[in-house]
Amino acid sequence: AQSVTQLDSHVSVSEGTPVLLRCNYSSSYSPSLFWYVQHPNKGLQLLLKYTSAATLVKGINGFEAEFKKSETSFHLTKPSAHMSDAAEYFCVVSDLPRSGAGSYQLTFGKGTKLSVIP
Amino acid sequence: ETGVTQTPRHLVMGMTNKKSLKCEQHLGHNAMYWYKQSAKKPLELMFVYNFKEQTENNSVPSRFSPECPNSSHLFLHLHTLQPEDSALYLCASSQAQREGRLDTGELFFGEGSRLTVL
Repeated sequence: AQSVTQLDSHVSVSEGTPVLLRCNYSSSYSPSLFWYVQHPNKGLQLLLKYTSAATLVKGINGFEAEFKKSETSFHLTKPSAHMSDAAEYFCVVSDLPRSGAGSYQLTFGKGTKLSVIP
Repeated sequence: ETGVTQTPRHLVMGMTNKKSLKCEQHLGHNAMYWYKQSAKKPLELMFVYNFKEQTENNSVPSRFSPECPNSSHLFLHLHTLQPEDSALYLCASSQAQREGRLDTGELFFGEGSRLTVL
């Protein structure tokens, strides 16, 4: 079984300061991990993904995340927050399909709402 | 058009109405998904179709009826809904995992259909 815990439901930062959104996961296999972003009244957009290659993953809009197996963490960071980063962020773990073929079994975290203060 | 398109974007219906949500993907994917997003709840997987066959029904009430006529189109038929069914309904698509083939499990989301049941 797999699970995702986003440690903060709401994070507030000032514009220009660093962003840290925390995510811990559990998985029975070697998972793929993702961060998605959702702006108000929009669908989810992929920010970045980890798929067992480099442990430091760079995504769009200056975001990056580091996969730490020993800590079962996949925290999302950005050096300098921008007003347009205000949104909700979802950490997602994906295991292989149960039968080895078929659709993916994704587990979503509850989301972290990021507010950026001018 | 590219990506995943959902229509309508907004829908208001009474409890006795019958309506349908439509999703279309132009990505050549073979797996399609319906998710429900309610306020303050994690994303809930509703249905999964893999190569047009339903492979997952996550204990969804029968007042929601999915239909997948081909790999590019997915419908969600709605009838006799309840006010608590008001939510954002998100469609997604992905490559279907095949035996022995590595893939990343990335989902591509539409912008959602905002449903309000009066």
